[in-house]
Amino acid sequence: GAVVSQHPSRVICKSGTSVKIECRSLDFQATTMFWYRQFPKKSLMLMATSNEGSKATYEQGVEKDKFLINHASLTLSTLTVTSAHPEDSSFYICSARVSRAYNEQFFGPGTRLTVL
Amino acid sequence: GQNIDQPTEMTATEGAIVQINCTYQTSGFNGLFWYQQHAGEAPTFLSYNVLDGLEEKGRFSSFLSRSKGYSYLLLKELQMKDSASYLCAPMDSNYQLIWGAGTKLIIKP
Repeated sequence: GAVVSQHPSRVICKSGTSVKIECRSLDFQATTMFWYRQFPKKSLMLMATSNEGSKATYEQGVEKDKFLINHASLTLSTLTVTSAHPEDSSFYICSARVSRAYNEQFFGPGTRLTVL
Repeated sequence: GQNIDQPTEMTATEGAIVQINCTYQTSGFNGLFWYQQHAGEAPTFLSYNVLDGLEEKGRFSSFLSRSKGYSYLLLKELQMKDSASYLCAPMDSNYQLIWGAGTKLIIKP
């Protein structure tokens, strides 16, 4: 099956610092990658959709200058949380899709971010 | 607007059968996914329905009625490891998954 990895799995940082999260599709090329965040006992919230080689499309209410997304290749997308604050503490999950013709999204294991 | 309605929590007994219902409203429709999510982990794929009817996969089956905006996930021979949240996620006309809060399933011995 298709495997998506995320790194790091867990990160603790100080307020004001930036954190980069990597999402990789290990055995397939992902034309589209999605970034979600999830608060405890809440639903997944789509933050942005990124297509390889183009700018990410951000959902309403998501600050693009704060959550920088780069989808430099068909197997790698990165999310950088800039100037992190305690309210950015959350579970960040990426998913990858091969193409629209094959709708399934394959999820990474998630990254638990704690901002002190 | 787009909306997902699932029970918040269900309890079932090990070895039994449980049906988790989902009703949805979306802008366009490109199929419906069911995912399982254990606490602190990312969702894992269970099933995908795009046509009406029942799809069976081992202990899990999923049903879809597009005209009613309704789906259910049926879990048979429940095991303790099935304790998790189950997420119904229809895909809209933009091929985006619409997520609800999911149903937390508690399995008791």
